[in-house]
Amino acid sequence: QVHLVQSGAEVRKPGASVKVSCKVSGFTLSDLSMNWVRQAPGKGLEWMGGFDPEDSKTIYAQKFQGRVTMTEDTSTDTAYMELRSLRSEDTAVYYCTTLWFGELTRFDPWGQGTLVTVSS
Amino acid sequence: DIQMTQSPPSLSASVGDKITITCRAGQTISRYLNWYQQKPGKAPDLLIFGASSLQSGVPSRFSGSGSGTDFTLTISGLHPEDFATYYCQQSHSPPWTFGQGTKVDMK
Repeated sequence: QVHLVQSGAEVRKPGASVKVSCKVSGFTLSDLSMNWVRQAPGKGLEWMGGFDPEDSKTIYAQKFQGRVTMTEDTSTDTAYMELRSLRSEDTAVYYCTTLWFGELTRFDPWGQGTLVTVSS
Repeated sequence: DIQMTQSPPSLSASVGDKITITCRAGQTISRYLNWYQQKPGKAPDLLIFGASSLQSGVPSRFSGSGSGTDFTLTISGLHPEDFATYYCQQSHSPPWTFGQGTKVDMK
């Protein structure tokens, strides 16, 4: 059973970068398709990007292209999401989640979330 | 991008009520539709995938139906722990998109 544990809350100033980690247990990261979803305070869920097993590459939502990088360290089974040039609108809880791809494509499970606050 | 529209945005109900939430896709997505439950301060949990398949451990009072563009999530007999926000998500093609959510609160 996959278990995802994320790094702790972060505070950044506008223009800075943040890197959130997601540690996998119960499975090998290289066997999973890790994706990232964020949720601004009081708002809905927004997919940011992740590994697309159909094309065997990481894809990003157009909104975040050029500003986000998702990487993996398979030696430690840890996935990372780095977001650059932060602005106040990036204040949100960031979730890692596993994409199961196929006839029944779905996100499951989810990490506990990492609150990133962008404030001067 | 496939737009997902949920209704209603919120609803008030009582324990024991039967409720239905609808989700409409901006284009046909066959049965590639998932439902998630999110409680305050918690990550979303998968409830239903493939429009009608119940995730392991999810009570049978939850059910999903639909295909094409129109889908429903039904809770047959609300329990106190069911007061939460529910999201639909299309799993037809990336970018993966979610509905805006339906908050179910106590009447």
